[in-house]
Amino acid sequence: DIQMTQSPSSLSASVGDRVTITCRASQSIINFLNWYQQKPGKAPKVLIYAASSLQPGVPSRFSGSGSGTDFTLTISSLQPDDFATYSCQQIYMTPPTFGGGTKVEIK
Amino acid sequence: EVQVLESGGGLVQPGGSLRLSCAASGFTFSGYAMSWVRQAAGKGLEWVSGISGSGKVTYYADSVRGRYTISRDKSKNTLNLQMNSLRVDDTAVFYCAKSAGRSSWTFDHWGQGALVIVSS
Repeated sequence: DIQMTQSPSSLSASVGDRVTITCRASQSIINFLNWYQQKPGKAPKVLIYAASSLQPGVPSRFSGSGSGTDFTLTISSLQPDDFATYSCQQIYMTPPTFGGGTKVEIK
Repeated sequence: EVQVLESGGGLVQPGGSLRLSCAASGFTFSGYAMSWVRQAAGKGLEWVSGISGSGKVTYYADSVRGRYTISRDKSKNTLNLQMNSLRVDDTAVFYCAKSAGRSSWTFDHWGQGALVIVSS
């Protein structure tokens, strides 16, 4: 199985901050990489698919980049609604696998 | 509006069985793969099992292969997960998830989750 490693596992940030989360795959996954946002007690919501494509309805302050094994999710200006856990997912091979998650907390 | 709604969670003893169901609406059910994804308390997401839109092809994580069976009923627009030989480490919230495409593992709609607790 392809292992997905996220860093950091948690971070504290303030409203308006630029936030960057990284995800590394154990082998090349080209651009078959998704990002999800999950709030406590709620189901995940897809934000980014194919590494850099914004899911319809997702604010443009979210962006994704990367290819091969290294990927990044960036929130350009953190908003109160963005405090949540973010997880990457590879869909290059079955089984699809998720990173361990990055919890974004209020500083 | 696309909706997926799980049912069937609960408390079961180790070695026991449980069946989860997911009622789908708002889309052409047979046109999309479906999956079950679980999340243990405080842990990350783990894909458990998936099934093609036709129901002819099924996929399982190694951790559940041979114990879980995924199926779908196109007449009822329902996804099922039969879980046998349950273990304590199967305890988790189980999400029903709709794939974004016929054969994609990108999940664009999720249910609210069904809690499964395996404990004596």
